[in-house]
Amino acid sequence: GAVVSQHPSWVICKSGTSVKIECRSLDFQATTMFWYRQFPKQSLMLMATSNEGSKATYEQGVEKDKFLINHASLTLSTLTVTSAHPEDSSFYICSAPLAERPHEQFFGPGTRLTVL
Amino acid sequence: AQSVAQPEDQVNVAEGNPLTVKCTYSVSGNPYLFWYVQYPNRGLQFLLKYITGDNLVKGSYGFEAEFNKSQTSFHLKKPSALVSDSALYFCAVRLEGYSSASKIIFGSGTRLSIRP
Repeated sequence: GAVVSQHPSWVICKSGTSVKIECRSLDFQATTMFWYRQFPKQSLMLMATSNEGSKATYEQGVEKDKFLINHASLTLSTLTVTSAHPEDSSFYICSAPLAERPHEQFFGPGTRLTVL
Repeated sequence: AQSVAQPEDQVNVAEGNPLTVKCTYSVSGNPYLFWYVQYPNRGLQFLLKYITGDNLVKGSYGFEAEFNKSQTSFHLKKPSALVSDSALYFCAVRLEGYSSASKIIFGSGTRLSIRP
């Protein structure tokens, strides 16, 4: 149980276009999900906390108008990278806590975004 | 500021030997500490956690970690390393208490390389 999926697993896009990444909790409901980005050989940096039914909470330095987050249901959060640029190329990972085990987070497999 | 540090970028160990991956933390209040492992192009997998109780915590794949309050450390250990243990390891600390919505921040990661 407690599986988190992401789609797509990898995407290549042209500079200036927008890309949507989905994060789904497959067998549990998640009122909160977290979005991270990871640069090569670096740690995960928390970008934002996605809250079902309300606005996302962004970390300092993360542009909310560039990284749009929508938590439309208890099993789905989406991250849209708008007007993507090459510097947005990264590995994006989402996670969700399980209510019964709040001290653990379950991570998706990640989405590798390459912006040409 | 609350933080977690992994002083070693890489740890090299011969198969069969014991391994240690170091982690120190700085938090206000009681720490909630975690170890995660990441294989190439994959999301994170939970290894173990310390919330309260025994200082020696046992986790997945034969790993264990020792919580040391006086040294503010939470080093990951394994008595006998396997080549398959080669991966990227992250120490993490939960912020803002014991809640499913609490954020987790990660250390910089340590690449563990086990040679046959």
